[in-house]
Amino acid sequence: EAEVAQSPRYKITEKSQAVAFWCDPISGHATLYWYRQILGQGPELLVQFQDESVVDDSQLPKDRFSAERLKGVDSTLKIQPAELGDSAMYLCASSRDRVTDTQYFGPGTRLTVL
Amino acid sequence: GQQLNQSPQSMFIQEGEDVSMNCTSSSIFNTWLWYKQDPGEGPVLLIALYKAGELTSNGRLTAQFGITRKDSFLNISASIPSDVGIYFCAGLNNAGNMLTFGGGTRLMVKP
Repeated sequence: EAEVAQSPRYKITEKSQAVAFWCDPISGHATLYWYRQILGQGPELLVQFQDESVVDDSQLPKDRFSAERLKGVDSTLKIQPAELGDSAMYLCASSRDRVTDTQYFGPGTRLTVL
Repeated sequence: GQQLNQSPQSMFIQEGEDVSMNCTSSSIFNTWLWYKQDPGEGPVLLIALYKAGELTSNGRLTAQFGITRKDSFLNISASIPSDVGIYFCAGLNNAGNMLTFGGGTRLMVKP
């Protein structure tokens, strides 16, 4: 069964450093999502791509976060500089298209900022 | 923004017991989804509901899409130890482009 791949699974960094997370969605899935999940809470959407285009980044802290999906396949989420409050699980999900409701999640990247 | 109130926040039950959890919203959703998340992993889709009043089963799991489109519940029958985890409801808005998650229900099962 096809899965969403994410790496790294765990990342520890010091505040003010730059970090990057990678996501490879299920093959053929046009829509890709990045979520942030703080411990004890549900995931919150950061950014949504349709192919290579950003369709919703209203919740992305653009002063320090950036996301790209240059070829409309895999995607990178970057934080620069990282802050203590960025410690969370970063989840990537994909779906066949924007209207399709079934989002499949990857295993996530657990970020700890010291 | 939209918010989903999920209850209970946690449950500690005996193996074999039935479990019920629910979500309510101040807004209408077109689709309700239920996910399970194990520690250190991403959420896994359990059940999807597409129509108001719909009742759907997946093995020992049963979920319903409320008539008002503002609520949903999930039942687990005859719980087993592997049911342990965090269960999240999620609602998809009318435009079909925003998935909002509840706060989760942590289920613990005593063998």
